[in-house]
Formats: sequence, C-alpha cells, structure tokens
Amino acid sequence: DTEVTQTPKHLVMGMTNKKSLKCEQHMGHRAMYWYKQKAKKPPELMFVYSYEKLSINESVPSRFSPECPNSSLLNLHLHALQPEDSALYLCASSQTGRGAKNIQYFGAGTRLSVL
Amino acid sequence: EDKVVQSPLSLVVHEGDTVTLNCSYEVTNFRSLLWYKQEKKAPTFLFMLTSSGIEKKSGRLSSILDKKELFSILNITATQTGDSAVYLCAVAPLYSNYQLIWGAGTKLIIKP
Repeated sequence: DTEVTQTPKHLVMGMTNKKSLKCEQHMGHRAMYWYKQKAKKPPELMFVYSYEKLSINESVPSRFSPECPNSSLLNLHLHALQPEDSALYLCASSQTGRGAKNIQYFGAGTRLSVL
Repeated sequence: EDKVVQSPLSLVVHEGDTVTLNCSYEVTNFRSLLWYKQEKKAPTFLFMLTSSGIEKKSGRLSSILDKKELFSILNITATQTGDSAVYLCAVAPLYSNYQLIWGAGTKLIIKP
C-alpha cells in the first residue's frame, strides 16, 4: 500500500480565515513533507518532518504552520493567507534513516484558493 | 548551482507512437534519479535509478541512466491516451536525505 491521504481535496478561504490541511499515511514512513505546487511548475518543498521533528523549513512565511502529531499524521495550519498562496498543496512521505531510499510517495493534494 | 533540465517541455503524439523524454542534470554528489508521472494531482512514482546502464522496465515504460554523460531517458512504447500527463524528473543529492532537485517537467499529450 503506497497511499497517502489528504483532506480536504478542495478549499476556498478568505484572507482572514484559519483552516488546516491534513495528511495521513500508514506505510510506516518516518519522513513527511509539505510541498506547494503552482500551475505548470514542479513541486516546491516547504517543510520536512523526520521522526516527528521539523527537519527542514524552506523559509516559509509564518502564516503556514506545520504540525506532526504522530508518525502517521501531518497537518498544515493556514492563517491570514494571501491570494498568491493559492496553489496545490501536496503531502508526501518516505522512508528515512541509514540505507533508506528517498522515494517520496505523494497524496492527491489539496487545491487551495485564497480570495 | 544544482539543476535538472527536462526536454522537450511539451510533446504531442498520436496513440501508438513511441516517445522518449529526456532529463539531464548537474548535481553535486548525485545519489539517485527519480521519474514521476503527474496527471491531475498526485505525482506517481515510476522509477528510481542509481546505476548507469541498468534499464528499469514496467510494462510499456522503461528508463535508463547515464552517469558519465549525466542524463536519463524515459521511453514509452505503444502510447495510449492514458499516458497523457506531465512527467517529472528529480535528482536526490547525497548531501540531503530529503531534498529533491526537480526538473520543470515534460507535458505529454497523446491524441487518439
């Protein structure tokens, strides 16, 4: 099973709203990722959690706040977003540790529109 | 600066044709190269290549890596309309267990 599940599939929010994106995997992967993807561009890495600890934050604005409650779950909390934050947000997971292959398995994404 | 370049950026062919997609890279301390297929949403993993000259195959898709010339190709034979997608190439460097350097993708359209 190589499934990563993301909810919701679509989200429309105003600039003053607070919302959360959710991601779940049951592959036993201990690395989880958030990516942002704009149209006709490759995915752009935002955050990486390894063993539930934040390992990489690619200088993402503080209006995006990640959270990893346990090894299977990853959240992205959104607050005071801007229209330019509208994009497809992808979650991924991979093995980690010595000898692990960095094959990232992606969820179907959340299509976010900020009005 | 590390970079991955894919060509062509887009390609339109007829069903049944064979296509070759290219991915060249300049990456310090190469670990592996990955191919993904992205239809409407989720990039789907196709292949990971680490050694030169060993062809990976999955049905009508195959891929090979040349570490001397720093490129990979993805071949699709007897194309079908379901092969229409963006094909993404990414390189995993040795200096990170997590980061991938992505190409811009090749948009493939298969006409019936």
